[in-house]
Amino acid sequence: RKEVEQDPGPFNVPEGATVAFNCTYSNSASQSFFWYRQDCRKEPKLLMSVYSSGNEDGRFTAQLNRASQYISLLIRDSKLSDSATYLCVVLYGYGQNFVFGPGTRLSVLP
Amino acid sequence: DAGITQSPRYKITETGRQVTLMCHQTWSHSYMFWYRQDLGHGLRLIYYSAAADITDKGEVPDGYVVSRSKTENFPLTLESATRSQTSVYFCASSEGLVLVNNEQFFGPGTRLTVL
Repeated sequence: RKEVEQDPGPFNVPEGATVAFNCTYSNSASQSFFWYRQDCRKEPKLLMSVYSSGNEDGRFTAQLNRASQYISLLIRDSKLSDSATYLCVVLYGYGQNFVFGPGTRLSVLP
Repeated sequence: DAGITQSPRYKITETGRQVTLMCHQTWSHSYMFWYRQDLGHGLRLIYYSAAADITDKGEVPDGYVVSRSKTENFPLTLESATRSQTSVYFCASSEGLVLVNNEQFFGPGTRLTVL
């Protein structure tokens, strides 16, 4: 079983739609959680960190459920520019052991 | 310019040749990382470094060598390239302060093809 798993995708949604991505992780010792965004043939960039209480940044909302070892990302009012691959990232322990999920690709259609 | 850079951006080589991928960052970040990205596997950690002269293996270190004599540079060497090492290689850096700022900043990547 992979340490970090994500919805396989791809997700094809119309502009303005709300879309949710799910991520599960297997190691309960995980310390920190992130969502990264990766555009085609580009490097990953941090979208947002995920906090225990859940957090929101504009149209993006991240939730964490430690008991179920589950992370989610909700995108409201999708824009064409949201088209990308979204990577779930988990940091284990107190080192720098970042584990990336395989990513979920989103295409927002006009 | 400030940031993290990689060179070369594209490289084609032959099986058995030695190849070195360069990574340079200007933030004085303590931590630096090398990942490879392949379809179906996502990003996998090859090696990372906590500081100059301190390196450690990641998930897929076999066939790779790293060094870090200066904080700002973290070269990755493929000692004898194999076709299975055809991939996109990303270098990253972070301040490494747990619970404060763990954001990783990635370089633009190097696309390596081994024939």
